[in-house]
Amino acid sequence: KQEVTQIPAALSVPEGENLVLNCSFTDSAIYNLQWFRQDPGKGLTSLLLIQSSQREQTSGRLNASLDKSSGRSTLYIAASQPGDSATYLCAVIPYNQGGKLIFGQGTELSVKP
Amino acid sequence: DAGVTQSPTHLIKTRGQHVTLRCSPISGHKSVSWYQQVLGQGPQFIFQYYEKEERGRGNFPDRFSARQFPNYSSELNVNALLLGDSALYLCASSQDFANTGELFFGEGSRLTVL
Repeated sequence: KQEVTQIPAALSVPEGENLVLNCSFTDSAIYNLQWFRQDPGKGLTSLLLIQSSQREQTSGRLNASLDKSSGRSTLYIAASQPGDSATYLCAVIPYNQGGKLIFGQGTELSVKP
Repeated sequence: DAGVTQSPTHLIKTRGQHVTLRCSPISGHKSVSWYQQVLGQGPQFIFQYYEKEERGRGNFPDRFSARQFPNYSSELNVNALLLGDSALYLCASSQDFANTGELFFGEGSRLTVL
């Protein structure tokens, strides 16, 4: 059974710091991994999608990596800003389960001015 | 282009009542999925519909049902509401059945059961 874990559950950093969010999954048989951002009480905004054949994706100050063999992904945020404060969720789509996403519980990030 | 739209955004019901939530996917997307997110947790998969057929169901009781219409919009129905059904209900759309591409979520419907 696929399980997704995110560490830490919460993180507080000063503005300008570079930071890494971690995501681990138990079964490497996945189509892809996707990182989302969620502001309080809001829906999910897609940040980065990494296909199983890829190792990383970049968008602006964000960089996500994928290591299927070790069941790990990291989301790197450069030069953090107060506007980056939100909950970050990772999710995988396993093989042979249709299009079902399995989510981690999220990392709540607070960037202090 | 319009993103995924959901309605209503907020609603309050009492135990035992029924609720219908609606979702319109991104134009051209044929797959719609529903997720339940309880406060402080990641979303949990409820249903996936593709081309108007149920293609996947999560571990939810039969009180939960859904359907997809010819225009690919979808409804989620929950009968005999319980306090534990209070959650944010999210709809996601994508182009293909296996969701191998990017999934896009709506803003959600916040359901409170009293």
